[in-house]
Amino acid sequence: GQNIDQPTEMTATEGAIVQINCTYQTSGFNGLFWYQQHAGEAPTFLSYNVLDGLEEKGRFSSFLSRSKGYSYLLLKELQMKDSASYLCAALDSNYQLIWGAGTKLIIKP
Amino acid sequence: DGGITQSPKYLFRKEGQNVTLSCEQNLNHDAMYWYRQDPGQGLRLIYYSQIVNDFQKGDIAEGYSVSREKKESFPLTVTSAQKNPTAFYLCASSNSRDIHTGELFFGEGSRLTVL
Repeated sequence: GQNIDQPTEMTATEGAIVQINCTYQTSGFNGLFWYQQHAGEAPTFLSYNVLDGLEEKGRFSSFLSRSKGYSYLLLKELQMKDSASYLCAALDSNYQLIWGAGTKLIIKP
Repeated sequence: DGGITQSPKYLFRKEGQNVTLSCEQNLNHDAMYWYRQDPGQGLRLIYYSQIVNDFQKGDIAEGYSVSREKKESFPLTVTSAQKNPTAFYLCASSNSRDIHTGELFFGEGSRLTVL
């Protein structure tokens, strides 16, 4: 079956760096998305990776290894507003999005 | 401002009642989606539409119905046949007609509670 795994919850300190991991098992692969979702709000797009490597976008970076079925989202210089859930989603060969349950990130001062 | 609007934000329903959740977008997007979000689970696709007057079932379509009479509107009806309707419902749109290619733009969500 198809599956996405990511940690349920992580805690980090303001100003620090945190890495949120995501592993996926899908029938074929057409890319991986990361979304941010603040509590009770709409998810917003962060990144899309389809090729191996690191994509940097300001304080946020996303990495993909297709051979390992692995991605991570790296958040630098953490701010309190980064407290949110981070959703990983993989696109399979039929262009169906398989979503992880999300990682709740708690930022402490 | 362009965006996607869902209403109502909160809705309470008695068992046996049908309810309709509204989703409107002014982004001129072809594709629209309805997802259900439950605690501890990933988003699950209910229905999607890639073009006006056409829609397809997602993974959990039973007990739900949709229509796509206008490009900007994609309402979802939660029928009495849906056995566990209490959930957070998210509508999304995409500027790519091909399913799930491209960034999804989500509405603020509608939280349905069945009493």
